[in-house]
Amino acid sequence: EAGVAQSPRYKIIEKRQSVAFWCNPISGHATLYWYQQILGQGPKLLIQFQNNGVVDDSQLPKDRFSAERLKGVDSTLKIQPAKLEDSAVYLCASSLQGTLGEKLFFGSGTQLSVL
Amino acid sequence: DAKTTQPNSMESNEEEPVHLPCNHSTISGTDYIHWYRQLPSQGPEYVIHGLTSNVNNRMASLAIAEDRKSSTLILHRATLRDAAVYYCILRWGSQGNLIFGKGTKLSVKP
Repeated sequence: EAGVAQSPRYKIIEKRQSVAFWCNPISGHATLYWYQQILGQGPKLLIQFQNNGVVDDSQLPKDRFSAERLKGVDSTLKIQPAKLEDSAVYLCASSLQGTLGEKLFFGSGTQLSVL
Repeated sequence: DAKTTQPNSMESNEEEPVHLPCNHSTISGTDYIHWYRQLPSQGPEYVIHGLTSNVNNRMASLAIAEDRKSSTLILHRATLRDAAVYYCILRWGSQGNLIFGKGTKLSVKP
């Protein structure tokens, strides 16, 4: 079974530039999550999709971050403009339906460095 | 918000059992207890989860206290590959979001 795919693996940009991350969840998984993990901390949920609708984006800095999930499959997360404090690993995860007893499958993440 | 408390770090010897504790005194009746681990430079990996009863799988065992206010993840024979940060998480609410804390960093000595 193919896992959650993310690209790129690494990205280095200067502050005020824009960047986009891509995620392809496990086939058939309705729920998709984006997490931000700053060095030394646990992952922090940014946004949760159920199919192509947003379930929770309460932690997403909406002045600079945006995310979409077209056709309920792939998803992109964008930062525009980037700040130094956005340097982190961005993790995508998916689960079958998003119920409490399900497990999440995580991708390897995109490591972003903002200079 | 439902919260968990874990020790910052633990050490174990290879091939010995490891007991990773987690306190969750504010747990409610419908909250699931999930454990994930994260190896260096990788995304978190599911380990095990439970609601009320103890659970076993090929990776580990989960022992849940009778009052559900604490749980213990048991690795029966630690290997060097088990060195990771282990997160104990309560999954709750209508959306069931996984809210990660700082976890326990497990070191395994040969």
